[in-house]
Amino acid sequence: DVKVTQSSRYLVKRTGEKVFLECVQDMDHENMFWYRQDPGLGLRLIYFSYDVKMKEKGDIPEGYSVSREKKERFSLILESASTNQTSMYLCASSPWGTGNTGELFFGEGSRLTVL
Amino acid sequence: GENVEQHPSTLSVQEGDSAVIKCTYSDSASNYFPWYKQELGKGPQLIIDIRSNVGEKKDQRIAVTLNKTAKHFSLHITETQPEDSAVYFCAAIQEGGYQKVTFGIGTKLQVIP
Repeated sequence: DVKVTQSSRYLVKRTGEKVFLECVQDMDHENMFWYRQDPGLGLRLIYFSYDVKMKEKGDIPEGYSVSREKKERFSLILESASTNQTSMYLCASSPWGTGNTGELFFGEGSRLTVL
Repeated sequence: GENVEQHPSTLSVQEGDSAVIKCTYSDSASNYFPWYKQELGKGPQLIIDIRSNVGEKKDQRIAVTLNKTAKHFSLHITETQPEDSAVYFCAAIQEGGYQKVTFGIGTKLQVIP
């Protein structure tokens, strides 16, 4: 089974702190994604990466950055956390050739609270 | 870009009844339509998908229908069971390249025993 692991299930941070959300997948997938999930807004794409050191902006990249130094790892960075970034963050991966088609494999999510 | 509308946002049904969730999309170039189920405390998981060259697809108690002309597609769950209680997301995608997946806002389904 594909496993996408998000390092932290729950985080509480203070406004202005730098926050790192880590995601690791074990199926050698080329594509990795970060989504944000909010009630009434569904899943919104923040950033995605289709190769090591490559990244593309999604729908809501403002206030976020990403890093993909190794194929299996995709990190989401909040340079200076703000209260409006309190949310559930979901990482996903998918294999090469499907781009954003085919099956997305999601992690269990990281719930971030910014005070 | 693509816009996907999903309704209802919440749905309660009695165990054994059917549930229907509907989505509409805006981009006629979209040709792949997956449905994801998210159980409490977990990430979404693909349960069924349909491509634009097919009008209907079934997998046991779940089925999807697609009307390309009207740009809408639906998820049908028959003989609902308590374990069907979850949030369901539809999505519309144009295959090829690295286009973004556009999800609907989700439907919270509650199956009452």
